[in-house]
Amino acid sequence: EAGVVQSPRYKIIEKKQPVAFWCNPISGHNTLYWYLQNLGQGPELLIRYENEEAVDDSQLPKDRFSAERLKGVDSTLKIQPAELGDSAVYLCASSLGGSANEQFFGPGTRLTVL
Amino acid sequence: GDSVTQMEGPVTLSEEAFLTINCTYTATGYPSLFWYVQYPGEGLQLLLKATKADDKGSNKGFEATYRKETTSFHLEKGSVQVSDSAVYFCALFSDTGRRALTFGSGTRLQVQP
Repeated sequence: EAGVVQSPRYKIIEKKQPVAFWCNPISGHNTLYWYLQNLGQGPELLIRYENEEAVDDSQLPKDRFSAERLKGVDSTLKIQPAELGDSAVYLCASSLGGSANEQFFGPGTRLTVL
Repeated sequence: GDSVTQMEGPVTLSEEAFLTINCTYTATGYPSLFWYVQYPGEGLQLLLKATKADDKGSNKGFEATYRKETTSFHLEKGSVQVSDSAVYFCALFSDTGRRALTFGSGTRLQVQP
């Protein structure tokens, strides 16, 4: 069974440029998460989807970040415009939902903003 | 809000030494507790979990017991190997909170031969 797929794995852009990250969750997983991981820190939730609905986007900086999960399968996270402080690893995870269900993580996209 | 505190690293041990990584948490209700591991160049993987008080999670020789009275979930292994070198994250999931994982800051383990 394929795991969570993310692309690109690495992205280097200049500040003020737009950038997009893509995630394809494990088949059948209705819950999808985007986490932000700064260097030397644990991941922090940006947004949680249940199917196609964003049920928790309270930590998503909506002035520059947007996300979508059309058809309740794959998802895209966008930053426009990017700032120097956005340099981090962006992780996507999926699960069947529920507190005891394991979240499966993708390899992440490492963003560097110059 | 929910939070997880784990000991800072790096932790450097010799092969076959005993490992303890401390983890304490603050949460409303009765969260599920997890340890995730991140090997060099790889993504986060679930190592073990416990869903209620006094449960013991175990995997690959690692163990952790859910202690509600001390709000702790310390990770232990009796004899570490070089291949255990990685970053370990303690995390909780609360049904009454944000319904997402809340992570500690991670502890880097380096095992020397």
